[in-house]
Amino acid sequence: DAGITQSPRYKITETGRQVTLMCHQTWSHSYMFWYRQDLGHGLRLIYYSAAADITDKGEVPDGYVVSRSKTENFPLTLESATRSQTSVYFCASRQTSYEQYFGPGTRLTVT
Amino acid sequence: GENVEQHPSTLSVQEGDSAVIKCTYSDSASNYFPWYKQELGKRPQLIIDIRSNVGEKKDQRIAVTLNKTAKHFSLHITETQPEDSAVYFCAASIGNAGNMLTFGGGTRLMVKP
Repeated sequence: DAGITQSPRYKITETGRQVTLMCHQTWSHSYMFWYRQDLGHGLRLIYYSAAADITDKGEVPDGYVVSRSKTENFPLTLESATRSQTSVYFCASRQTSYEQYFGPGTRLTVT
Repeated sequence: GENVEQHPSTLSVQEGDSAVIKCTYSDSASNYFPWYKQELGKRPQLIIDIRSNVGEKKDQRIAVTLNKTAKHFSLHITETQPEDSAVYFCAASIGNAGNMLTFGGGTRLMVKP
């Protein structure tokens, strides 16, 4: 589990500001994922990436932007944060096996 | 897309009793069904998974069963212990779609000592 990290772990930002959440994995996994977790909704996929420079939308992509210039990094950017984006964000990765490994999460509050 | 329903949303059992959590999925092409355990403030961690070519899988006190015809799968925990208290999530994925997981809404299991 120490192979996938997220930063910051906690973030408070104001409505309208841009904020970037970082995800870094040391396993050289091909696939990386971003989820948000809200009470009553479980985990919902925002974006995923199959490899460097290949990204695709998940279930709830609106308001988010991702990039993947290097295999090990998968940053998630909220271009103009809204209160509805207050959530816990989890990054995950996997290689050719099915199992996804989750990062420790980032708790984001938008005021 | 895939839709996964999970029941119950909360489950309270006495220590030593069994607990069963059920999930249904909508897409018959789904072929991978993991279960994750999430303790308070922690990340989800895989506890057991099953693929569509298998009907049942066991690992010590936990087991998962899959009924492809009915499109449902269940998590069984026997001889529950207080440390089993957590939120459990089921998920389903389609192998050819990048193995994207669609999660159920979660079950909060409370094991009373």
